[in-house]
Amino acid sequence: NAGVTQTPKFQVLKTGQSMTLQCAQDMNHNSMYWYRQDPGMGLRLIYYSASEGTTDKGEVPNGYNVSRLNKREFSLRLESAAPSQTSVYFCASRAGLNEQFFGPGTRLTVL
Amino acid sequence: GQQVMQIPQYQHVQEGEDFTTYCNSSTTLSNIQWYKQRPGGHPVFLIQLVKSGEVKKQKRLTFQFGEAKKNSSLHITATQTTDVGTYFCAGRNTGANNLFFGTGTRLTVIP
Repeated sequence: NAGVTQTPKFQVLKTGQSMTLQCAQDMNHNSMYWYRQDPGMGLRLIYYSASEGTTDKGEVPNGYNVSRLNKREFSLRLESAAPSQTSVYFCASRAGLNEQFFGPGTRLTVL
Repeated sequence: GQQVMQIPQYQHVQEGEDFTTYCNSSTTLSNIQWYKQRPGGHPVFLIQLVKSGEVKKQKRLTFQFGEAKKNSSLHITATQTTDVGTYFCAGRNTGANNLFFGTGTRLTVIP
């Protein structure tokens, strides 16, 4: 099992460009999450999906959209990237109310 | 809104010294989880505490959940260089799907 995979690992964008971060899990988990991590601010929830076909906003959803394509895949889209979106993005999945499994992260820089 | 504060933000210790990080929530939690993130890595689940006053041990690590279920601590006895990383607590409110992560404590162990 690969666990949670994310692509790409690194990305540099110019202000105004768009991109989609991909996430997939092979653990048959219902819940999936997108977080951003900034220095000194811990992990902040952007969006989550409690089950296939549902998505909900987290703490910091502005500037992002998500798609729960199927049970395995949960993508995060930046329609018009801004320098404030420079961060490390983590995808995670969970079964029930147990531990969350995190992907390796995507390091995004917006110039 | 939900807030989970964690102190200290940074801690430098000599190898062999003890280390403690504290987590405080503004609301009563249904459970709390602890994660460790190595430098350049992703968060990895350590443990979950559910009961009021619960204490759990993992080798040199001791985790406590407060009687009021609003605070928690992680204590490491006789730190080793392998303990280096950032330790996060993450709490969940009753009935909620999401975890609220603390800001983390970055531990440096000096050989």
